[in-house]
Amino acid sequence: QVQLQQSGPGLVKPSQTLSLTCAISGDIVSSNTAAWNWIRQSPSRGLEWLGRTYYRSKWYYDYAPSVKSRIAVTPDTSKNQFSLQLNSVTPEDTAVYYCARANIGNWFDPWGQGTLVTVSS
Amino acid sequence: ETVMTQSPATLSVSPGERATLSCRASQSVNNYLAWYQQKPGQAPRLLIYGASTRATGIPARFSGSGSGTEFTLTISSLQSEDFAVYYCQQYINWPPPTFGQGTSLEIK
Repeated sequence: QVQLQQSGPGLVKPSQTLSLTCAISGDIVSSNTAAWNWIRQSPSRGLEWLGRTYYRSKWYYDYAPSVKSRIAVTPDTSKNQFSLQLNSVTPEDTAVYYCARANIGNWFDPWGQGTLVTVSS
Repeated sequence: ETVMTQSPATLSVSPGERATLSCRASQSVNNYLAWYQQKPGQAPRLLIYGASTRATGIPARFSGSGSGTEFTLTISSLQSEDFAVYYCQQYINWPPPTFGQGTSLEIK
């Protein structure tokens, strides 16, 4: 059974970098069939996919156009986890952030428990 | 970007009755559609993928149908634990994959 455990701060100051980590159990980040995603949810934007990383003989990265200039999703094979970095945050980036796996198909299952990140000084 | 529109925004149904939720895509997504259930304070949970295939462990009272741009999630006999928010998501036209805004299923 695959489980995802998120960690990271719940409060970030404007203009700084939001950093979250998702630890994987029951699968490996370098799986040839899975992709590792970050999704956020806010009342104003609903569920919004942010980006993903996956391994198919080499590492690939895809990002949503809305955040492409300031996002990075990076794998860590030594710790079997992946991370989200979102730079230059504003209060509009306040949301619950989820990590999620997409396996074979591009639906999301399972999800991490979610982290409420508030952008405020 | 493919826009997903769900209706109604809120649906009030009595326990034991049938609930029918709709999802419309702004362009064809074939059958590349998933449904999720979200309860307060929890992450979304996958119910259906491929428009009609139940995920592991999902009860048979949940069923999905449709293709192209029109989709339906039906819950045949509502149980107390089914009252939640439901989201559809397309995964053919991306990046980005896109979600509907949700239907809140409430107890009547």
